[in-house]
Amino acid sequence: AQRVTQPEKLLSVFKGAPVELKCNYSYSGSPELFWYVQYSRQRLQLLLRHISRESIKGFTADLNKGETSFHLKKPFAQEEDSAMYYCALSRYNQGGKLIFGQGTELSVKP
Amino acid sequence: NAGVTQTPKFQVLKTGQSMTLQCAQDMNHEYMSWYRQDPGMGLRLIHYSVGAGITDQGEVPNGYNVSRSTTEDFPLRLLSAAPSQTSVYFCASTPGGGGDTQYFGPGTRLTVL
Repeated sequence: AQRVTQPEKLLSVFKGAPVELKCNYSYSGSPELFWYVQYSRQRLQLLLRHISRESIKGFTADLNKGETSFHLKKPFAQEEDSAMYYCALSRYNQGGKLIFGQGTELSVKP
Repeated sequence: NAGVTQTPKFQVLKTGQSMTLQCAQDMNHEYMSWYRQDPGMGLRLIHYSVGAGITDQGEVPNGYNVSRSTTEDFPLRLLSAAPSQTSVYFCASTPGGGGDTQYFGPGTRLTVL
């Protein structure tokens, strides 16, 4: 069965500290992996997708197929990064069906 | 473009009542989906559609019906509301393909008493 696990419900760091939000998945095929973010009072929006291999707002994520992980990292956290982060998976060519992790709330303190 | 719109924003129902959550998109996307968001459980797929006239069940379809008569609209019907359906409901659309971005609506917060 497909599953996405985010082990931390809440991650609290100080401004300027490095951040790593963990995401592990189980899927037998070739998954498409995403990070979505929900800022306070805003709708859910895409932050990163692994096929793009890009850096958005200083965040990066590398797909590690051996460890079945897709951790989200940022070297220096900013207060505006405080939000709810969701890791998500879809099968190849099944864009309408996302499987989400439980979400991690990131709190960046001044 | 308005993107993905949802109505209403808030709704309170009594157990046993029925209602329809509306979702529309103006981006000509083929794929549309409904998710519910519950604390500690992330978002779970209720129903999805790969085009007008085609729908399928997601992870938690019981108690919900959908139809897709046009590309733009994808309403979600609660047949007989139960307290377990208290949740925040999100509609999303995507052009298609596994790697495409999903665009989410603002959500509907539903409380069933």
